[in-house]
Amino acid sequence: DIQMTQSPSSLSASVGDRVTITCQASQDISNSVNWYQQNPGKAPRLLIYDASNLETGVPPRFSGSGSGTDFTLTISSLQPEDIATYYCQQYENLLLSFGGGTKVEI
Amino acid sequence: QVQLVESGGGVVQPGRSLRLSCAASGFTFSDYGMHWVRQGPGKGLEWVAVVSYDGSNKYYANSVMGRFTISRDNSENTLSLHMNRLRTEDTAVYYCVKGLGSCGGARCATRGDWGQGTLVTVSS
Repeated sequence: DIQMTQSPSSLSASVGDRVTITCQASQDISNSVNWYQQNPGKAPRLLIYDASNLETGVPPRFSGSGSGTDFTLTISSLQPEDIATYYCQQYENLLLSFGGGTKVEI
Repeated sequence: QVQLVESGGGVVQPGRSLRLSCAASGFTFSDYGMHWVRQGPGKGLEWVAVVSYDGSNKYYANSVMGRFTISRDNSENTLSLHMNRLRTEDTAVYYCVKGLGSCGGARCATRGDWGQGTLVTVSS
């Protein structure tokens, strides 16, 4: 099974800050990574697919990069509405797996 | 647009069984693989199971293998998860998630099509 190691588990930043979340896969997964945002009591919302493609309707302050084993989600200028938990997910094979999550606070 | 509506959650005693359902609409259900993903209280997301478009291929997380069965009824556009020998650690919100394609091969990507979830509480 492919393990996704996500860091940090939580972070506190100010409005306008640049925020970076990383995920490391236990093996080469090409660009088979999604990034999701989740608010309490809600289903996850897709932000980024195929490691670097912005989902329709997602603000351009969100971006993704990486390939192989190392991936990054960046929020270029943190906004109050970005307070949430973020998850990476790999889909290189049928058995999906998720990172442990990053809780972003202001 | 894609709609996925889970049902069947509730409170159940350890060792008992429960069946979850997911009603799909807004797309040709029989063309797409489907996943179940769960989230324990205060915990992260955990993949549970996947079924291919025609139900011929099924895969499970180690934590549920031998206890849970994923199935689908393409005539009723319904995905199911039969959960047997439930444990307290199975307590979670269970989400139905649409695959990106048929999922008849080596991969079954997901995108933004998730249900709202149904809560299963395993407690005596």
